[in-house]
Amino acid sequence: EAGVAQSPRYKIIEKRQSVAFWCNPISGHATLYWYQQILGQGPKLLIQFQNNGVVDDSQLPKDRFSAERLKGVDSTLKIQPAKLEDSAVYLCASSSLGAWGYTFGSGTRLTVV
Amino acid sequence: DAKTTQPPSMDCAEGRAANLPCNHSTISGNEYVYWYRQIHSQGPQYIIHGLKNNETNEMASLIITEDRKSSTLILPHATLRDTAVYYCIVRPTIQGAQKLVFGQGTRLTINP
Repeated sequence: EAGVAQSPRYKIIEKRQSVAFWCNPISGHATLYWYQQILGQGPKLLIQFQNNGVVDDSQLPKDRFSAERLKGVDSTLKIQPAKLEDSAVYLCASSSLGAWGYTFGSGTRLTVV
Repeated sequence: DAKTTQPPSMDCAEGRAANLPCNHSTISGNEYVYWYRQIHSQGPQYIIHGLKNNETNEMASLIITEDRKSSTLILPHATLRDTAVYYCIVRPTIQGAQKLVFGQGTRLTINP
């Protein structure tokens, strides 16, 4: 089975610019998650989708971050405008309702300068 | 969410068993113990999970104490490729739809 695909792998932008990340989950996985991982820390959940509906976005900084999951498949996470503290790895994961574990992608490493 | 406590780092010699402890003294009766690991520049990878019985799979064994307040992940014959950050997480029983809350984890270094 193909894994969770994320792109781009790396991105460098200047502060106040915008950026978008893309995630293609494993086929058939209803649940999709976006995590932010700052260097030296564990991943922190930003948003959770069930099909194309939002289940939990309590940790998403909604003034600058947005995410969507059209048709319950692919998802995009956007930051506008970016701040220096947004420098992190953004991880996408998916799971099916009958599964115990998540499958994570390799992440997008964002550097804001 | 229940919290877990793990040592920040551990070392183990290649070929030896690596035993990673986790304290989860506030775990609830409906919460499972999960272990994930994250190899450098990759996303976290699921290893194993358990409720109250010991579990074993092709990757590792999980030993949970009778009072469920602590657990140990065992990598029976550690290799250099097992060098990673290991996360112990407690999570309610509902499959698939419950979020994982990661702590700082244990950085395990396997030495040749």
